[in-house]
Amino acid sequence: EDQVTQSPEALRLQEGESSSLNCSYTVSGLRGLFWYRQDPGKGPEFLFTLYSAGEEKEKERLKATLTKKESFLHITAPKPEDSATYLCAVQAGSAGGGNKLTFGTGTQLKVEL
Amino acid sequence: DTAVSQTPKYLVTQMGNDKSIKCEQNLGHDTMYWYKQDSKKFLKIMFSYNNKELIINETVPNRFSPKSPDKAHLNLHINSLELGDSAVYFCASSQGWNQPQHFGDGTRLSIL
Repeated sequence: EDQVTQSPEALRLQEGESSSLNCSYTVSGLRGLFWYRQDPGKGPEFLFTLYSAGEEKEKERLKATLTKKESFLHITAPKPEDSATYLCAVQAGSAGGGNKLTFGTGTQLKVEL
Repeated sequence: DTAVSQTPKYLVTQMGNDKSIKCEQNLGHDTMYWYKQDSKKFLKIMFSYNNKELIINETVPNRFSPKSPDKAHLNLHINSLELGDSAVYFCASSQGWNQPQHFGDGTRLSIL
């Protein structure tokens, strides 16, 4: 069974203090790894897709990287508006199996002034 | 313009009742999903439809029945509601089987 583990569960940073969130996964045949951001009372908002080891994607202060066992979401010089829960999800299997995402439990990030 | 919209946003009802949640997407996607997010914020897929055809049906009680009248709509009907059904239910859509899924803002279901 596909498994996704995110760490830490919660992270408190000062504004400008860079850090990384970790997503470790165990799947048979990774098709894609997805990062989402979820604000309270809202649905997950798509950030990045990574398809193969060595791939990197960037958006503003966020950078996602992928290895064969884990993904990192690096946050550079965060601001209070980056506070949210960050979710990692993996998709495995064949095209005929549908687009099933297996989610981790998320990292709750709080950025303080 | 809301891409994936769900109604209602909140649903409070008694145990044993039957209720429905509606979902519509205006992104032109061909695949739609229902997820359940429990009190620990864990998101788990329930169903997936591609072009109105059921393609994912996880281990979900048969009290839950999805229905897709067309590609843009996927509704969820729940019979004989139980206390354990209390959760936030999210609808999502995507174009193609390995493209990013876009989520609605959820329906918070509370069973009294």
